[in-house]
Amino acid sequence: DGGITQSPKYLFRKEGQNVTLSCEQNLNHDAMYWYRQDPGQGLRLIYYSQIVNDFQKGDIAEGYSVSREKKESFPLTVTSAQKNPTAFYLCASSSQYDRVYEQFFGPGTRLTVL
Amino acid sequence: GQQVMQIPQYQHVQEGEDFTTYCNSSTTLSNIQWYKQRPGGHPVFLIQLVKSGEVKKQKRLTFQFGEAKKNSSLHITATQTTDVGTYFCAGPTVGNEKLTFGTGTRLTIIP
Repeated sequence: DGGITQSPKYLFRKEGQNVTLSCEQNLNHDAMYWYRQDPGQGLRLIYYSQIVNDFQKGDIAEGYSVSREKKESFPLTVTSAQKNPTAFYLCASSSQYDRVYEQFFGPGTRLTVL
Repeated sequence: GQQVMQIPQYQHVQEGEDFTTYCNSSTTLSNIQWYKQRPGGHPVFLIQLVKSGEVKKQKRLTFQFGEAKKNSSLHITATQTTDVGTYFCAGPTVGNEKLTFGTGTRLTIIP
């Protein structure tokens, strides 16, 4: 069954701690993305990666870091430098197929900083 | 940078009424995509429009891409409770390497 998995679904952390959110896809997609969504708001791009071992900052990269060591994995670390990390984090992947650039989203991780 | 705005931000309709959301980009787009996010869920791709003036239908949903390829609309005929959610449009940057999502329109249905 192909898709994107994110874990955990809910995550709680104390202020000052780093935390890593997992994102795995078995769709054989080259591109992967991390978005942040605040209550009642749209999607803001944190980081994205077009190929393994390469990634680019999105619109709100400060306080976050990523790695792309494998095609199917794109973990996101929320560092203690992120001022307001409580949010819903969504991972997505895409592959150009017949010039359709659809993004597939994972179920998301809700991070709460206590 | 590229900005994508949607109006209205919120829409409450009686079940059975029609609903329309409008999307406007600050730049010309090579294509426009629409996504739906149910409450508590994740965005799900609905459709992609590519050609100037293109109109596509999916059952009660009608999608339109403007002639200048800078605006788009989604119209739902005779809304049902299953239509509840937030509808986002999204436009790609040059090279299609990433998407800029619109601000979204949240639709609630009054039974």
